[in-house]
Amino acid sequence: DTGVSQNPRHKITKRGQNVTFRCDPISEHNRLYWYRQTLGQGPEFLTYFQNEAQLEKSRLLSDRFSAERPKGSFSTLEIQRTEQGDSAMYLCASSLVGQKNSPLHFGNGTRLTVT
Amino acid sequence: GQQLNQSPQSMFIQEGEDVSMNCTSSSIFNTWLWYKQDPGEGPVLLIALYKAGELTSNGRLTAQFGITRKDSFLNISASIPSDVGIYFCAGQPQGSARQLTFGSGTQLTVLP
Repeated sequence: DTGVSQNPRHKITKRGQNVTFRCDPISEHNRLYWYRQTLGQGPEFLTYFQNEAQLEKSRLLSDRFSAERPKGSFSTLEIQRTEQGDSAMYLCASSLVGQKNSPLHFGNGTRLTVT
Repeated sequence: GQQLNQSPQSMFIQEGEDVSMNCTSSSIFNTWLWYKQDPGEGPVLLIALYKAGELTSNGRLTAQFGITRKDSFLNISASIPSDVGIYFCAGQPQGSARQLTFGSGTQLTVLP
C-alpha cells in the first residue's frame, strides 16, 4: 500500500493558463474523490468517481474544471483559463466500496498558485 | 459550504496536558471521522466512527460519536510536541453515501 499519490506537489501558473493535476489512488480502491482546500479552511468536496464513472459534482466545480478517470485507476483534474481565485490545495482521496467501513484516505495534495 | 461547527479554532497547551475538541452539526451524520493535517501535507485519518454512541481509541486519542448523531468529540491525552497540527472533523451526512463535509479545523500548539 503506497498510499494516494498526487503530482505535481506544487504548480505556479499565470492567470489564463490551463493546468492539469494527476492522482493515483490506493491500488484496490474503486472510489476516487477530488477536494479543494483554501488556507484556514477544511477541504471542500469537488467531485467523485466510482471506477470510471463520475457520479457527483459539486456546485464549486465550474465549467472551467473537468475531471476524468478513464480506466478507473488514476484520475486527472484540469482547470482551464485559471483565475487567481483558483489558488488552493487540490486534494485527492480514495476509498473502497464494498467493505463495510472504508474511510477516505488522502494524498498530499497539489498546491496551485495562480499569479 | 461548511455545515459543521468545530471548536475551538485554536488551542495552546503545555506538553503533558489533555486536549478536547468537538464538532456539531445541525443535521444528522451517519459517519464521523477525525483527521490531522500537518503543513503542506494531506489530512491523515486518526479515528473513524460509524455508530451513534460509539467510543473509539487510537493510542492517546479517543473520539466519540454523539448519541444525537449531530456531534462528535476528540480527546488527546498527555499531549506531546508531535501532536502539533490542525485537527479536522469530517462527517458523512444522512442521505449522502459519498461525500464528506469537513469542519474548519482546530489548530493545536503544544508548548514545551
